Amino acid sequence: DTGVSQNPRHKITKRGQNVTFRCDPISEHNRLYWYRQTLGQGPEFLTYFQNEAQLEKSRLLSDRFSAERPKGSFSTLEIQRTEQGDSAMYLCASSAAGAMNTEAFFGQGTRLTVV
Amino acid sequence: DAKTTQPTSMDCAEGRAANLPCNHSTISGNEYVYWYRQIHSQGPQYIIHGLKNNETNEMASLIITEDRKSSTLILPHATLRDTAVYYCIVRVGGYSGAGSYQLTFGKGTKLSVIP
Repeated sequence: DTGVSQNPRHKITKRGQNVTFRCDPISEHNRLYWYRQTLGQGPEFLTYFQNEAQLEKSRLLSDRFSAERPKGSFSTLEIQRTEQGDSAMYLCASSAAGAMNTEAFFGQGTRLTVV
Repeated sequence: DAKTTQPTSMDCAEGRAANLPCNHSTISGNEYVYWYRQIHSQGPQYIIHGLKNNETNEMASLIITEDRKSSTLILPHATLRDTAVYYCIVRVGGYSGAGSYQLTFGKGTKLSVIP
């Protein structure tokens, strides 16, 4: 499968714990995005990388959220000191740069449940 | 990015054409219309996009009115697998334009294809 891969698919954690999610984009894509989706809502943009550079992070929900893409390939999203309100689906997407309007391809997401 | 308005839900008989409307009356000249869909428990999937001309691909057709204030996504022969939430998104075009990396999802239209 050469699509966007996210791991784990499901994560249950206790409130206050830290969690980290991984995203492996389509190999030739240099743009990578993180979104969050809560029940009944459309996905909400969080952050964006072009190669290893994080070019937009102002939409990260709080300073408990951080993302990295150290070598310009896979990315991780970390949530520190999780809260019940962090329960959501976290989606990763990737796209190619250098062409007009290239579409984003999404992974299947990581569903986080904070108990 | 311009805001879009879509009906909350629609039904379509299997084998018939599904016509999903979207209003984007504040669209700017450099904004494209994108359609994505999200099948239950999966990430969003790109369908089609256009600027001002009608577009067709293997999945769907996109009809954009001459004034560009509204559009219609057409699934020519809906199947049960087309049951999903369909999102209409307006976005600035160009790979380096401000906001070109971000998709702003609304709540979309829940399409139910009925046997």
